[in-house]
Amino acid sequence: DAGVIQSPRHEVTEMGQEVTLRCKPISGHDYLFWYRQTMMRGLELLIYFNNNVPIDDSGMPEDRFSAKMPNASFSTLKIQPSEPRDSAVYFCATTRGLEAFFGQGTRLTVV
Amino acid sequence: AQSVSQHNHHVILSEAASLELGCNYSYGGTVNLFWYVQYPGQHLQLLLKYFSGDPLVKGIKGFEAEFIKSKFSFNLRKPSVQWSDTAEYFCAVKEYSSASKIIFGSGTRLSIRP
Repeated sequence: DAGVIQSPRHEVTEMGQEVTLRCKPISGHDYLFWYRQTMMRGLELLIYFNNNVPIDDSGMPEDRFSAKMPNASFSTLKIQPSEPRDSAVYFCATTRGLEAFFGQGTRLTVV
Repeated sequence: AQSVSQHNHHVILSEAASLELGCNYSYGGTVNLFWYVQYPGQHLQLLLKYFSGDPLVKGIKGFEAEFIKSKFSFNLRKPSVQWSDTAEYFCAVKEYSSASKIIFGSGTRLSIRP
């Protein structure tokens, strides 16, 4: 198992552009989480899925953020339009049993 | 609502000093507890976990943590830190049920002076 795979690793985009972050979870996972990490706010849970269904999206900061999980092997987090304050590292994590596995993260910079 | 508190935001130690990072959680039921480490520029990795049994849990790289149920605490310890322990440390808790999320603390940044 290659672990949780996120792409891209780095993204630099202009304000107003659409950004799509991708996550391929580990096989046999049960939950998938999207987190955002910044110096100011630390690690924030944005949304999580179980069996491809969003369970709790109360952490999604605004309507500009949306997440999907069309199948068990893929999830996306989309920001449209992006703003400079969205700059952060976005982590995807999945759980198998009682352990969470994190991807390498996507470092997003919005200029 | 569940929460996890890490009271030390930034800890600075010299090499060979002893380490204790505090973690308290607010949930009255059965929980599973974790410590994750994030080295500079990397993702979070599991350091150790507690599910049941012996409340003193040993993890990788000489770390250990003690679960004290009466204090709702799960403090991380290491008797002698190394420069390579410089990282951010996150405590996390999960309710003992299949349908719950993992809640992370805000993290403690550990800086080790060579």
